[in-house]
Amino acid sequence: DTGVSQNPRHKITKRGQNVTFRCDPISEHNRLYWYRQTLGQGPEFLTYFQNEAQLEKSRLLSDRFSAERPKGSFSTLEIQRTEQGDSAMYLCASSPVQTAGRSGNTIYFGEGSWLTVV
Amino acid sequence: QQQVKQSPQSLIVQKGGISIINCAYENTAFDYFPWYQQFPGKGPALLIAIRPDVSEKKEGRFTISFNKSAKQFSLHIMDSQPGDSATYFCAASVGRNAGNNRKLIWGLGTSLAVNP
Repeated sequence: DTGVSQNPRHKITKRGQNVTFRCDPISEHNRLYWYRQTLGQGPEFLTYFQNEAQLEKSRLLSDRFSAERPKGSFSTLEIQRTEQGDSAMYLCASSPVQTAGRSGNTIYFGEGSWLTVV
Repeated sequence: QQQVKQSPQSLIVQKGGISIINCAYENTAFDYFPWYQQFPGKGPALLIAIRPDVSEKKEGRFTISFNKSAKQFSLHIMDSQPGDSATYFCAASVGRNAGNNRKLIWGLGTSLAVNP
């Protein structure tokens, strides 16, 4: 178990370019989340997968954002036509499905992918 | 509107002292209250969490105190150490299912500095 892995860790891109981030969750974790965090703020939920199914998308996730988890393992988050306002740290997290009788499972976060749009 | 209000924004404590961070919430449907610790350049890590059916939970030097009637909860770090210097976030979510972790509502964070 190597934890949640994200890459690239840092990305600088010009406005208008597309970027893609990859997340490898902890193995056997069914649930995968993407959050966005800017300086001085807590993480903001973007989207969530259970296995390969994307079950919820935040209103923060505009049409320029798309996330996939094609085989229920790793996930990608693509941002098209990047804007300066997209500059943030993009966090991926995973958790196991709650088992009966257990109260609330821990979400494990990766170290994030920093995006700077210039 | 900030659903989870956290204070103070920053805190400086001497080594060995007690660090106290407070959070208040409005939504009475919240029923899971975690605290996360985040070091610079790292993702947040769950520190300790509480549900409203208990008033206090302790894990090592970290204690959560929960006041349901006041809709407040706080994190106490006893015997604070320089290694505790980080940003601490309180959060809250609705529902008892793990799936509702996706609806974590976060405070704005407290930057803690513990002086040696």
